[in-house]
Amino acid sequence: LAKTTQPISMDSYEGQEVNITCSHNNIATNDYITWYQQFPSQGPRFIIQGYKTKVTNEVASLFIPADRKSSTLSLPRVSLSDTAVYYCLLPNRDDKIIFGKGTRLHILP
Amino acid sequence: NAGVTQTPKFQVLKTGQSMTLQCAQDMNHEYMSWYRQDPGMGLRLIHYSVGAGITDQGEVPNGYNVSRSTTEDFPLRLLSAAPSQTSVYFCASSLSGFRDEQFFGPGTRLTVL
Repeated sequence: LAKTTQPISMDSYEGQEVNITCSHNNIATNDYITWYQQFPSQGPRFIIQGYKTKVTNEVASLFIPADRKSSTLSLPRVSLSDTAVYYCLLPNRDDKIIFGKGTRLHILP
Repeated sequence: NAGVTQTPKFQVLKTGQSMTLQCAQDMNHEYMSWYRQDPGMGLRLIHYSVGAGITDQGEVPNGYNVSRSTTEDFPLRLLSAAPSQTSVYFCASSLSGFRDEQFFGPGTRLTVL
């Protein structure tokens, strides 16, 4: 069972870069790492997915070291609207994904 | 595309009542699923479907029924509502599996008195 561990909460200030690290020591060879974002009173929204090294899109970057035992979601120059819960997800042995409690990111002015 | 739609947005039930939460998607996705989210918690999978006519149980299926007669619709039925089912319910769809990007609906906030 691939389990993920991420900080329960983080605070940052507007304009800063925010990095949220997720540990997944038992990741399987063919597993991709997926991050979702959830704003209050909304359903989760896919942010980014990656397998190794670095993936970048218009919202975020995802850094995955060679051993793949962790991954870091990087949000450049955050704004107040980035306040949300961020989930790091891996499939479990039944090929479903499990949403843990995620990381509550609070952006301060 | 409307994406994933859910109705109603809010619902209050009395213990023992039954109701159906509606979910529809217009993206021709094979996979659809229902989650519940309790305050301060992550989402827990209730039931899912890999295609029309096929459904299976998730992590917390007790007290809920589903059916999938069409690709577009995936209703969730509460048979006899209990206060423990007070939660926010999200429907999601994906093209061909949980490893694909999942698209979530706006949620239904259910209170059972």
